[in-house]
Amino acid sequence: NAGVTQTPKFQVLKTGQSMTLQCAQDMNHNSMYWYRQDPGMGLRLIYYSASEGTTDKGEVPNGYNVSRLNKREFSLRLESAAPSQTSVYFCASKRSTATTGANVLTFGAGSRLTVL
Amino acid sequence: GENVEQHPSTLSVQEGDSAVIKCTYSDSASNYFPWYKQELGKRPQLIIDIRSNVGEKKDQRIAVTLNKTAKHFSLHITETQPEDSAVYFCAPYRRNSNSGYALNFGKGTSLLVTP
Repeated sequence: NAGVTQTPKFQVLKTGQSMTLQCAQDMNHNSMYWYRQDPGMGLRLIYYSASEGTTDKGEVPNGYNVSRLNKREFSLRLESAAPSQTSVYFCASKRSTATTGANVLTFGAGSRLTVL
Repeated sequence: GENVEQHPSTLSVQEGDSAVIKCTYSDSASNYFPWYKQELGKRPQLIIDIRSNVGEKKDQRIAVTLNKTAKHFSLHITETQPEDSAVYFCAPYRRNSNSGYALNFGKGTSLLVTP
């Protein structure tokens, strides 16, 4: 039982390049989230998917796109990377049903992205 | 989604002292109030949570108290130890909401416990 798996763990890009961060969970969770973490800024929500087939913008969606490929997978794409997108990215998921423990967010290990 | 504020942003205490971190939120419909701990270089993990029908919850040295009227809740750590040094985040929201609800975190409180 791996929980939430993110790939890659580290990535260096040049300005203007594109890339996709992958996230997969094996806990049968309904909701999935992408956050970025910068020093002093906490965890800021980029996009989320409340359930399979839906996605919504969070606090800082500009420059990103997402795809909820199926119930397990939620990917984050940077179409044209900018230095301001240098950050640590966390994927998270939760069950979102009326069951015990459904409210707890489970995080992936994070992906450190540097844009030069 | 919520507007969430945490105070203080940094906190330094001596080992054995108590630490209190406060989280203020905007959505009066919020009914679930968790605290996450993030150690350096690691992912955030839940350490304690409380629901809106409970005023206080304790788990060994940590406790969470809720004031729904004032829309804030607090994390209390007693007898602090160096391993409590971490960044703590609150993330209040409406639990069991499975449609279109953004889950926003506070900016975090960096706690340093010095021996």
